[in-house]
Amino acid sequence: GQNIDQPTEMTATEGAIVQINCTYQTSGFNGLFWYQQHAGEAPTFLSYNVLDGLEEKGRFSSFLSRSKGYSYLLLKELQMKDSASYLCAVTSNDYKLSFGAGTTVTVRA
Amino acid sequence: DADVTQTPRNRITKTGKRIMLECSQTKGHDRMYWYRQDPGLGLRLIYYSFDVKDINKGEISDGYSVSRQAQAKFSLSLESAIPNQTALYFCATSGDSGANVLTFGAGSRLTVL
Repeated sequence: GQNIDQPTEMTATEGAIVQINCTYQTSGFNGLFWYQQHAGEAPTFLSYNVLDGLEEKGRFSSFLSRSKGYSYLLLKELQMKDSASYLCAVTSNDYKLSFGAGTTVTVRA
Repeated sequence: DADVTQTPRNRITKTGKRIMLECSQTKGHDRMYWYRQDPGLGLRLIYYSFDVKDINKGEISDGYSVSRQAQAKFSLSLESAIPNQTALYFCATSGDSGANVLTFGAGSRLTVL
């Protein structure tokens, strides 16, 4: 199975940068995802990493190191609407997706 | 219309009652999933199906059953609901590619009294 760890909460100021770390232990790693979930809503896909390195998509970037079992999601130029939970998830060779407990990010004015 | 539709969106029931949560999708995906979400525990996989004839248990399948009636429909049943099954339930679908990006329904909030 998978063991996925991420911080429970983070707070940052509007316009700042926040980095959410995720560590995982899994057998048969086949990719790492980040999802965003606003309160009371469904998770929505943000990013996917399967190879080492940085994937940039607008204000959001995601990094993966397979050898270290480590990923981070970087949110730049924070906006109030970025207040949400961010879910790290890992997929293995059986194509099931296992989620971490999520990191709640609060953006303050 | 939403790509993944869940019904009901909210349900309050009593201990011992049978409950069915339904999910339908218009994405043409073969893979469908049921997750439950509890505060502090994240999303946990209950059951998943990779095609109409394929049903697999996830990490927390006890107390639940599923039916894959068609490619587009995947229902979750609680045969005899208990209070610790109070949770937010999500249905999701994904395509057959290796990226396996999930598309979630809006969720079904179930309260068992």
